[in-house]
Amino acid sequence: GAGVSQSPSNKVTEKGKDVELRCDPISGHTALYWYRQSLGQGLEFLIYFQGNSAPDKSGLPSDRFSAERTGGSVSTLTIQRTQQEDSAVYLCASSPEWGSETQYFGPGTRLLVL
Amino acid sequence: SQQGEEDPQALSIQEGENATMNCSYKTSINNLQWYRQNSGRGLVHLILIRSNEREKHSGRLRVTLDTSKKSSSLLITASRAADTASYFCATDAGAQKLVFGQGTRLTINP
Repeated sequence: GAGVSQSPSNKVTEKGKDVELRCDPISGHTALYWYRQSLGQGLEFLIYFQGNSAPDKSGLPSDRFSAERTGGSVSTLTIQRTQQEDSAVYLCASSPEWGSETQYFGPGTRLLVL
Repeated sequence: SQQGEEDPQALSIQEGENATMNCSYKTSINNLQWYRQNSGRGLVHLILIRSNEREKHSGRLRVTLDTSKKSSSLLITASRAADTASYFCATDAGAQKLVFGQGTRLTINP
């Protein structure tokens, strides 16, 4: 079956612009995660959605970052007024309802803010 | 700071040799997982070891877990060029999310 997909693959934007990154999780997976990975670094947790529960936003670095998950499926991560330090690979992952034991990752969106 | 810390940060070995990577963590965990990442893109799950397990095997992979030392190791035997990648440990301490380490960059030289 299809894995996690993300779009766009690459995004170049100018400082101050808003960007939207999209994630399509594996069908039937109720948990969805967003991570950020700066060059040569590990993954930084951003936000977690589980079913209809309120999302865990504890990892969002500032109020310029927000995310939505519509209909329990597709998720969009929005970064407003982008800054150069927002340049990174943004990874989405999903996992089945029974927990976070294994996460299935998308290919990521590489964001470059000029 | 990150829950998991990998050691070494980078490792370069000859094809056919064994590669060992270590991970240390700070809090009690439910399980520990290892992931591989090629070319800075999506991660692929390799193996999961639960807190009540000490060793686990999957093909050429062997993972150990020492909860008293809060550490884990990943051994890749008979390495191949295709094993070149970054390897991350991730700990599940509950709260429905994983905490990843900084990773080990493994290079297999032909």
